[in-house]
Amino acid sequence: EIVMTQSPATLSVSPGERATLSCRASQSVSNNLAWYQQRPGQAPRLLIYGASTRATGIPGRFRGSGSGTDFTLTISSLQSEDSALYYCQQYNNWPPHTFGQGTKLEIK
Amino acid sequence: EVRLVQSGAGVRKPGESLKISCKGSGYSFTNYWIAWVRQMPGKGLEWMGIIYPGDSETRYSPSFEGQVTISADKSTTTAFLEWSTLKASDIGMYYCARPREEADYGPFDIWGQGTMVIVSS
Repeated sequence: EIVMTQSPATLSVSPGERATLSCRASQSVSNNLAWYQQRPGQAPRLLIYGASTRATGIPGRFRGSGSGTDFTLTISSLQSEDSALYYCQQYNNWPPHTFGQGTKLEIK
Repeated sequence: EVRLVQSGAGVRKPGESLKISCKGSGYSFTNYWIAWVRQMPGKGLEWMGIIYPGDSETRYSPSFEGQVTISADKSTTTAFLEWSTLKASDIGMYYCARPREEADYGPFDIWGQGTMVIVSS
């Protein structure tokens, strides 16, 4: 089973600034990596797939990068609505298609 | 509109059984895998298993194999997650989710609203 490790566990950033979230796989997942946003009390929402492709309706402020074992989600021009949990997920090897443990993004 | 609508919260005692549902609409139900994802209180997302309603092929995470049963009914376009003997540790929110593309098993762009499972004596 591939282990996905996200860092940091919590990130606190001011509005208008940039947040950088990391995700590392225990072995290569090629570019089969997705990012999800989960706001409190809501189901997850797909942000990025294929490591760098934005899902439908996701603003350009969200950018994914990386391949192999190291991936980054960058959120620019942070807004209060970006306060949420963010999860990465590999879908290269299964079962299971493992999720990372999540990064909590707080907007100061 | 593509939707997954899940059944309401389930409250059971340890040792009891439970079957929750996820009804798909707005798309060709038999052509897309449907997965189940657990989220224990205050914790992260766990991929449990996935089913292809077209032929009922099912894959489970080793962590959940033998603990739950995933099934689907093409006639009602509904997927199910079932426990025969609930444990207190089964408490959590359970989501169904559908991948972006036909006959593909990830990533998930359509999610149900979640079903809360409470197991308490």
